Amino acid sequence: QITLKESGPTLVKPTQTLTLTCTFSGFSLSTSEVGVGWIRQPPGKALECLALIYWDDDKRYSPSLKSRLTITKDTSKNLVVLTMTNMDPVDTATYFCARGLSGEPYYFDYWGQGTLVTVSS
Amino acid sequence: QFVLTQPPSVSGAPGQRVTISCTGSSSNIGAGYDVHWYQQLPGTAPKLLIYGNINRPSGVPDRFSGSKSGTSASLAIAWLQTEDEADYYCQSHDSSLSGSDVVFGGGTKLTVL
Repeated sequence: QITLKESGPTLVKPTQTLTLTCTFSGFSLSTSEVGVGWIRQPPGKALECLALIYWDDDKRYSPSLKSRLTITKDTSKNLVVLTMTNMDPVDTATYFCARGLSGEPYYFDYWGQGTLVTVSS
Repeated sequence: QFVLTQPPSVSGAPGQRVTISCTGSSSNIGAGYDVHWYQQLPGTAPKLLIYGNINRPSGVPDRFSGSKSGTSASLAIAWLQTEDEADYYCQSHDSSLSGSDVVFGGGTKLTVL
């Protein structure tokens, strides 16, 4: 059974750094052609892929947010961490992590339930 | 704003067939990249509906089908049911967006009348 779960603060202040952890089970990020992505969704708005880390530690970032994002993985602990610096109220959103599978491009077949992060002073 | 354009909303009556389009360009769908589709019921995480343009994951009813032609893709839902009321998103890749491997469309809200 494959599961993913996001964890982190529900409230952050403007200019602070957000750190989110995706803890997963049922698969390994050391398996070829597997990845984990972070996708966010502001209230009432569309999905936006923030970052994707692959089994070989290759990383991809949203061009518009690249300077603020870092994605890392700990294969032994089955977790992926996303950090986003200089948070702003416009970053208020539900943040999802999801397992990616090989495709052109990768697709996300299992998703976490999401965690709502509010940016406010 | 979105490199993949979807209609904001579509509607249909139970039993009818609806299609949702995902229009791209020569740097994404037209370049041969796959299109994937997701269904998001209110208050829940997205669910993979179609991958690789036409493939359904196990458990997805065959009422849902995907197609791709040129610079566009479509999701068709046959025999519409009330539980199909949700937001639908297409996803692909755009080679003009350096560094990013994944782009989503703006989403389409399906209303079952």
